[in-house]
Amino acid sequence: DQQVKQNSPSLSVQEGRISILNCDYTNSMFDYFLWYKKYPAEGPTFLISISSIKDKNEDGRFTVFLNKSAKHLSLHIVPSQPGDSAVYFCAASARSRDDKIIFGKGTRLHILP
Amino acid sequence: NAGVTQTPKFRILKIGQSMTLQCTQDMNHNYMYWYRQDPGMGLKLIYYSVGAGITDKGEVPNGYNVSRSTTEDFPLRLELAAPSQTSVYFCASSSALGDEKLFFGSGTQLSVL
Repeated sequence: DQQVKQNSPSLSVQEGRISILNCDYTNSMFDYFLWYKKYPAEGPTFLISISSIKDKNEDGRFTVFLNKSAKHLSLHIVPSQPGDSAVYFCAASARSRDDKIIFGKGTRLHILP
Repeated sequence: NAGVTQTPKFRILKIGQSMTLQCTQDMNHNYMYWYRQDPGMGLKLIYYSVGAGITDKGEVPNGYNVSRSTTEDFPLRLELAAPSQTSVYFCASSSALGDEKLFFGSGTQLSVL
């Protein structure tokens, strides 16, 4: 039973355009959401997070949007750059309950020249 | 600044063999984790530890054992390797259980043949 779902295994975007990666969750206890980025042969690295008390968090080219009623979040990358080609994992936790982080399956992003 | 160090990077085991995946961190984090990532799948939590001497099961603990004798080290033991344990294993640490920033090692690619 997947609690964090990334339904797009891969996504191709032209360099300079916007990349939008989507994530859905089922557990209403989740109150903290994260995105991790992973290059081949490396471990995932933390990218950006958002608390359930917010609906948007921005960090440079990266913005995460949270829609609690739809149990949906998205990561926007603007503009997309070649170095953004990686696998992106959506993750969630019930932070108020001091609970563990649950990861989605990941979306592989290809930035096309 | 080493962060989280995993050894070995690659290993091939025969069915029924045993091995220990080593993990050490130098950030004085109390929380440490072992994840596995199967192809096309997300990160699944195997075991975690909230401090020296304390460990607990994650989502997929069967076939594995862990110990935490020091803050720095969190080895993962496979007692009787099976083909289903072919995966990439990641060790991670954090300063709190639901902390946004998990710091990952670079992974161990394990094949059981």
